[in-house]
Amino acid sequence: GQQVMQIPQYQHVQEGEDFTTYCNSSTTLSNIQWYKQRPGGHPVFLIQLVKSGEVKKQKRLTFQFGEAKKNSSLHITATQTTDVGTYFCAATVALIQGAQKLVFGQGTRLTINP
Amino acid sequence: ETGVTQTPRHLVMGMTNKKSLKCEQHLGHNAMYWYKQSAKKPLELMFVYSLEERVENNSVPSRFSPECPNSSHLFLHLHTLQPEDSALYLCASSQERDRAYEQYFGPGTRLTVT
Repeated sequence: GQQVMQIPQYQHVQEGEDFTTYCNSSTTLSNIQWYKQRPGGHPVFLIQLVKSGEVKKQKRLTFQFGEAKKNSSLHITATQTTDVGTYFCAATVALIQGAQKLVFGQGTRLTINP
Repeated sequence: ETGVTQTPRHLVMGMTNKKSLKCEQHLGHNAMYWYKQSAKKPLELMFVYSLEERVENNSVPSRFSPECPNSSHLFLHLHTLQPEDSALYLCASSQERDRAYEQYFGPGTRLTVT
């Protein structure tokens, strides 16, 4: 079945440093979603990318979808302690009768040294 | 956020017990999901319900039995669980059919099987 590989699994940075997590698929994706899960919390939707080569920004976060729609990245500029958490990418997979599911990457856990 | 609620938030049960997890969404969505989150598999999809019909059963053992009586409620009935079933069980909902929408997660039920 569809698999999405996400790296790195863990990343520790000093506050103010940049951070990037990558998602890769062996097959073309219809879209990719990104979620953030704070420690002790639940995943919260950040953004969805649909178009080939799409780039979207949310303040210090930059999301990219590859030209071939097989990879995506999330880049955080000048990390702050509020960025701590696990970041997941997820790809949509069609099911029967128009239903869909998300296949999640393994997540990248970001910790920050203040 | 109160869009998706889950009860109980914490549950400790013995291997011979029978218990149920409850999820309720107040967003008017038509699809609901159960996920298992553990250290080994960060976000493992268990079941998908679309328009109250189960459309995905991700090779989940029969000791987990889902129930979706209407589009707002989802249950996970548990019986004769194993210690390795200890995990965070997350419920999510989305509005979908033929288009990818983001999923909204509940806070989860932290389950410990003794």
